[in-house]
Amino acid sequence: EVQLVESGGGLAQPGESLRLSCAASGFTFIAYAMSWVRQAPGKGLEWVSGISDSGDNTFYANSVKGRFTFSRDNSKNMLYLQMNSLRAEDTAVYYCVKGFGAFDPWGQGTLVTVSS
Amino acid sequence: EIVLTQSPGTLSLSPGERATLSCRASQSVTSRNLAWHQQKPGQAPRLLIYGASTRATGIPDRFSGSGSGTDFTLTISRLEPEDFAVYYCQQYANSPRTFGQGTKVEIK
Repeated sequence: EVQLVESGGGLAQPGESLRLSCAASGFTFIAYAMSWVRQAPGKGLEWVSGISDSGDNTFYANSVKGRFTFSRDNSKNMLYLQMNSLRAEDTAVYYCVKGFGAFDPWGQGTLVTVSS
Repeated sequence: EIVLTQSPGTLSLSPGERATLSCRASQSVTSRNLAWHQQKPGQAPRLLIYGASTRATGIPDRFSGSGSGTDFTLTISRLEPEDFAVYYCQQYANSPRTFGQGTKVEIK
């Protein structure tokens, strides 16, 4: 069974940094691109970032480009989202998802709150 | 960026009725690279349909997808109590990947 377990969410002040992690299991991790999708409270879904299977290529939404960095450690089946210069509008549940096409499955999400 | 517009915003129906959800794209979604996801309150989304019309593993056959180009439809043939949720379309033809704003299917 595929499992994606996010961690690292919490409260940050504007301008601060957080690093999210996602532990993947139940599939051949090195064979798949992966993504992050977020959902602000009471709002819809927004794709944030994607990474190729090797980690050599990364893609970002304009809203986070230059502030967020997506990386992976294929030896540990881990994903990381380094979030710098956080803004109030980054407040959301962040989901780790398998794939870069039709996202499937989704992790349970981790809540990031940016507030002073 | 491909903008996806879903309609209606809310659909009020009774169990057993048919639900028809629309997703319109601002430009053609090539190779029918369109998916539908279901989200229930407090839960992560779940993939229902990919490739515009292929059901994901374990998805009941009362869910069906159709369409191509700029117009896509998700149909739930007979609503079960567990189908009342929010549904999102998502395109993966172009980057950035984008979602529609969602259609809420609520109990009438």
